[in-house]
This record gives sequence, C-alpha cells and structure tokens, in this order.
Amino acid sequence: SAVISQKPSRDICQRGTSLTIQCQVDSQVTMMFWYRQQPGQSLTLIATANQGSEATYESGFVIDKFPISRPNLTFSTLTVSNMSPEDSSIYLCSVESPRGRATSYEQYFGPGTRLTVT
Amino acid sequence: DAKTTQPTSMDCAEGRAANLPCNHSTISGNEYVYWYRQIHSQGPQYIIHGLKNNETNEMASLIITEDRKSSTLILPHATLRDTAVYYCIVRGYGGTDKLIFGTGTRLQVFP
Repeated sequence: SAVISQKPSRDICQRGTSLTIQCQVDSQVTMMFWYRQQPGQSLTLIATANQGSEATYESGFVIDKFPISRPNLTFSTLTVSNMSPEDSSIYLCSVESPRGRATSYEQYFGPGTRLTVT
Repeated sequence: DAKTTQPTSMDCAEGRAANLPCNHSTISGNEYVYWYRQIHSQGPQYIIHGLKNNETNEMASLIITEDRKSSTLILPHATLRDTAVYYCIVRGYGGTDKLIFGTGTRLQVFP
C-alpha cells in the first residue's frame, strides 16, 4: 500500500488569495490524482497528474484556476487560485499502484486538505 | 465508464451481515467492479474489487452476478466502525481509466 500525506491539513483563506496544497507519497507512483469534495457531496476528479507531462483536467476544471505540479514520482502540488467561497471544499490527493495482479490497480487517498474561503 | 446505481442509505445492526447492492447494467467485458468506502472526515479507503468471480478478503466479500450487471458487497459482521459511505465504481482494464465516484450508499451500523 501507499502512505500519502498532505499539507496543510486545513486552512482558512480570504477570497482572492491562492493556496498551494502539497501531496507526498512514500513510494514512487506513476499516476497521481486530485479530487475535490464539496460539503455533503461525493468526490469529483479535478485532474490527473503524471510525472513529466502536463496534467490532464476534467471538464469544468482549468489549469489557470487549479495549476498542478508533478516534479517527481513522489510529490505533487495543487494550487487553488483566486479563491472564492465556492472553492470551500476538501481537496484530496490520490495515487494508483498495482496490487499484485498486473491488470488490477487500486487507488490510495490522502487524508485531505479542508479549505474554507471567507 | 459504466454508471452504477446504489441505494442512498441503509441500516444494519452491529454483528449482523451488511449487504450493499450495486447495479451496473451497462458494464462492459473488460471493466472491473471496485468498492471503496469513506468514513467521515477521512479519505476514501479501498475495500475490494473483482471482474467476474466472487472475491473475498479480510474486509469483505464481493458477489458478482453471472451476467455481471449487479454486485453485492458483504461485510460479514458489521461493527460501528463500518459506518461510512460505500461507493461502488466500475472502471476500465489495467488501471488506466479514472476512478469516478457516484453518490454511494450511506451505511449506518447501530448497536
């Protein structure tokens, strides 16, 4: 399994500012994912980040708003830019690693970063 | 990815088996059924997955119907700590497809 840590665990930010969330994994992984979970909602995939390439964003999410870095196989950052109260969510980092069988994978999730924008 | 349908909520008495159903009638032949759960204020946790055979691990059992259009996650002896939202997800082969979460089933285990 993979152990994932995120920093910060929570933050309260003012509208118009930006916050960078860090995700650190204890092993090298190819694929990393960023999700958002708005209050009372399910998880929504923001983007997929592979080392050495540009992140791939899901519909409704753009790089200018959520720039992502993936400098190596164990680390990634997600920035929430020009924040508004609607960005108040839990942001989760996730990684994928093979689980024994070559054709089956599972994803591991970090503890999340709880962001409140005032 | 195929869509899944789950009941919004379920209750289960502590110590009894919790059977969580999932419909995935449009699943294709190379898609797996994955189950995750999310305990309040934590990141989702992998439980189990399968292709067409029934699977069992230390956490749960997964029963997939022969036509693969539905499945059931079984927690054999539910405890209060199993109270969580359970997500049934269908995803493609080899782990290259994305894990897309639906609304899940909120399981409440009561004493």
